[in-house]
Amino acid sequence: NAGVMQNPRHLVRRRGQEARLRCSPMKGHSHVYWYRQLPEEGLKFMVYLQKENIIDESGMPKERFSAEFPKEGPSILRIQQVVRGDSAAYFCASSPRLELRDRPYEQYFGPGTRLTVT
Amino acid sequence: AQSVTQPDIHITVSEGASLELRCNYSYGATPYLFWYVQSPGQGLQLLLKYFSGDTLVQGIKGFEAEFKRSQSSFNLRKPSVHWSDAAEYFCAVGADYGGSQGNLIFGKGTKLSVKP
Repeated sequence: NAGVMQNPRHLVRRRGQEARLRCSPMKGHSHVYWYRQLPEEGLKFMVYLQKENIIDESGMPKERFSAEFPKEGPSILRIQQVVRGDSAAYFCASSPRLELRDRPYEQYFGPGTRLTVT
Repeated sequence: AQSVTQPDIHITVSEGASLELRCNYSYGATPYLFWYVQSPGQGLQLLLKYFSGDTLVQGIKGFEAEFKRSQSSFNLRKPSVHWSDAAEYFCAVGADYGGSQGNLIFGKGTKLSVKP
């Protein structure tokens, strides 16, 4: 059973370009989360998605950032007009479908995409 | 608001010595608590988790953690550290369903170095 897959592993973009980061969740997982890790920092939540549905985007910057998780294919985190401050490691995690309100959940993380903006 | 504090940024221990990494959380109800480990340039691997029941939980690689509600703590321990344990360790709490449903809130991490 393959784990969470992310690609590319490393991405270099010039200021003003677009960055597209892809995440394929573990088989059978229908929940995807994106986190950003800045140098010397912990992971910060960005967005939580289910298939074709954004559940919580409270951690996403209001401009330039968007995310989707289509019915078919991987989840995409898109950053338009990148700036140097977007340089970070972006991690995707997935979890199984939640059936009960109080059912605990664990998240499985991918290896991350390291974005460098020059 | 929920938060996680890891007071120690960097800890160095000798190989074979015992280890304790501290984690304190702020949360109104019974939290879901996790410890993850991250090797350089890698993703996060789940070491162990606490949801309910026995407050001493066992994880992989010989790690354990104890949930202490009175101290709002979930410290990670290992009786004898191996050189391969050198990594960064993150404590996390599961966010409340009523608000940011589903996401994890992470501490800033503790970097562990192991001396031969």
